[in-house]
Amino acid sequence: NAGVTQTPKFQVLKTGQSMTLQCAQDMNHEYMSWYRQDPGMGLRLIHYSVGAGITDQGEVPNGYNVSRSTTEDFPLRLLSAAPSQTSVYFCASRPVGRTGGYQPQHFGDGTRLSIL
Amino acid sequence: QKEVEQDPGPLSVPEGAIVSLNCTYSNSAFQYFMWYRQYSRKGPELLMYTYSSGNKEDGRFTAQVDKSSKYISLFIRDSQPSDSATYLCAIPSTGNQFYFGTGTSLTVIP
Repeated sequence: NAGVTQTPKFQVLKTGQSMTLQCAQDMNHEYMSWYRQDPGMGLRLIHYSVGAGITDQGEVPNGYNVSRSTTEDFPLRLLSAAPSQTSVYFCASRPVGRTGGYQPQHFGDGTRLSIL
Repeated sequence: QKEVEQDPGPLSVPEGAIVSLNCTYSNSAFQYFMWYRQYSRKGPELLMYTYSSGNKEDGRFTAQVDKSSKYISLFIRDSQPSDSATYLCAIPSTGNQFYFGTGTSLTVIP
């Protein structure tokens, strides 16, 4: 049981390049989310999905696209990289709370992205 | 005002000390409170999860919620060097929105 797996672990891009950050989970969780973590800013939600075919925007969605074609995978696409997108990106998943309440999120180990 | 505010630290304590980590929140409707631990170059991992007010204990860790003051705390007893990490408080809101504190960096010195 691998949990949440993110690839790549590190990436350097030039301004204007595009790339896809991969995220896969093997826990059959309904919810999947992408966060970015910046010093002094905490974790900020970029996009999230409540199931295959359903996505929605979070707090900081501009410059990013997502899709969810399967329960397991939730890739994040940077359309045209900018230096402001230099950050550590975390993917997280969680199940729907069957008996009410909130289920905690399970995080991957992140992708460290630098944009020059 | 942010939904959740956390003492930024950093905090440095000797091994064996009692550590207190704190967050305040703004919305009295919040009911669930979580603490995550994040080691360097790793993702956050759930440490404690509490509902409503009161205390919850798990080994050397105690999570405390004071809803009247909108204040949550994490206490670590007999701190160990392996406790050196960043600790984040997290509060779920509607839908899939989770409010995270900015994290407190803790170093336990042997």
